[in-house]
Amino acid sequence: GNSVTQMEGPVTLSEEAFLTINCTYTATGYPSLFWYVQYPGEGLQLLLKATKADDKGSNKGFEATYRKETTSFHLEKGSVQVSDSAVYFCASLYSDKLIFGTGTRLQVFP
Amino acid sequence: KAGVTQTPRYLIKTRGQQVTLSCSPISGHRSVSWYQQTPGQGLQFLFEYFSETQRNKGNFPGRFSGRQFSNSRSEMNVSTLELGDSALYLCASSLRRQGATGNSPLHFGNGTRLTVT
Repeated sequence: GNSVTQMEGPVTLSEEAFLTINCTYTATGYPSLFWYVQYPGEGLQLLLKATKADDKGSNKGFEATYRKETTSFHLEKGSVQVSDSAVYFCASLYSDKLIFGTGTRLQVFP
Repeated sequence: KAGVTQTPRYLIKTRGQQVTLSCSPISGHRSVSWYQQTPGQGLQFLFEYFSETQRNKGNFPGRFSGRQFSNSRSEMNVSTLELGDSALYLCASSLRRQGATGNSPLHFGNGTRLTVT
């Protein structure tokens, strides 16, 4: 079946460090891909999305490129801030269902 | 525009009881989806309602049920509660059904945290 796999956390970084959170998907077709972010005590917010191969989603300095050949949608940011500390979820939409990865906690220290 | 509102924020119940959770979507949104979030399983899809009809369902037992009203508000019910039902229950609304969410993203509420003792 369709699934999403994320790297396990927590990911601990110092402020201004480079961030990569890996995400790969399995699907029988070509799903739309998303990154959601969950801040403490809140629900999930859409961070960025890509709907077809080679699309790049970007928002708030975060980027992710839909790579069909490696079935990946890795999240990157060039310089993280303390305020980026949150849980990040990769998700795949296929056949009317949005499937989430298990989430990766990011902790950024000053 | 007000966001997705879930009530209550916190609930404590005992095994065997039942519980009803409520979700008010963003005005104009017709699709409401429910998810269960636990540390071990992550986010698990429960069901989606659109125009008062259940359109999609995840792999949960029949103790989990829901409904949607004509104003798009939705309720989720869990009967005969078990300890393993302790979780954060998230509701999300969107303009169109999940199958069309390439351009209609989900907007999540802050969740209801259910503790079963």
